[in-house]
Amino acid sequence: SQKIEQNSEALNIQEGKTATLTCNYTNYSPAYLQWYRQDPGRGPVFLLLIRENEKEKRKERLKVTFDTTLKQSLFHITASQPADSATYLCALPMNTGFQKLVFGTGTRLLVSP
Amino acid sequence: DADVTQTPRNRITKTGKRIMLECSQTKGHDRMYWYRQDPGLGLRLIYYSFDVKDINKGEISDGYSVSRQAQAKFSLSLESAIPNQTALYFCATSDKIGRETQYFGPGTRLLVL
Repeated sequence: SQKIEQNSEALNIQEGKTATLTCNYTNYSPAYLQWYRQDPGRGPVFLLLIRENEKEKRKERLKVTFDTTLKQSLFHITASQPADSATYLCALPMNTGFQKLVFGTGTRLLVSP
Repeated sequence: DADVTQTPRNRITKTGKRIMLECSQTKGHDRMYWYRQDPGLGLRLIYYSFDVKDINKGEISDGYSVSRQAQAKFSLSLESAIPNQTALYFCATSDKIGRETQYFGPGTRLLVL
């Protein structure tokens, strides 16, 4: 069955450092992968989408890589700030497509001053 | 004003009661989704609708029903609420194929006693 794995343990880093979050998947051949940010009690907010033919995508301090051979995406936040503290979810389209997404359980990032 | 709104934001109900959660959107999107989120299980798709006449079950539709009253409105009903339906419920929308980002509402926190 399709499976997405994100580190369930919180990631604690110091302000100014680079945070790296991992998303691994099995039994998928996704055409794209998305990353969302979720704050407590709020709905997820889209951050970045990377397609299977793209190795890397950047947006301001965010960088996403997508390795279809390793079946892994890495999400980086450079020069992290306390305001970056949130849970980050990766999402992939279901094998049946049609924009139905399967979400990982998310990794909580805590950036301390 | 928010593009995707959900009412109510919080609801406490008793086992066996019928309740309805409502979602409205002003994004003009055809596609709408209902998810539930539980700690450790992430977001799971309950129902989705690609247009007013197209409604489909997601991975956990048992005990739920939906109604797509208009392009902008998608309601989720619990016909006879049970305690394990206690969760955070999110509505989301997306545009047509080629624009796969999903936009989430603020969520409804439901407690079934």
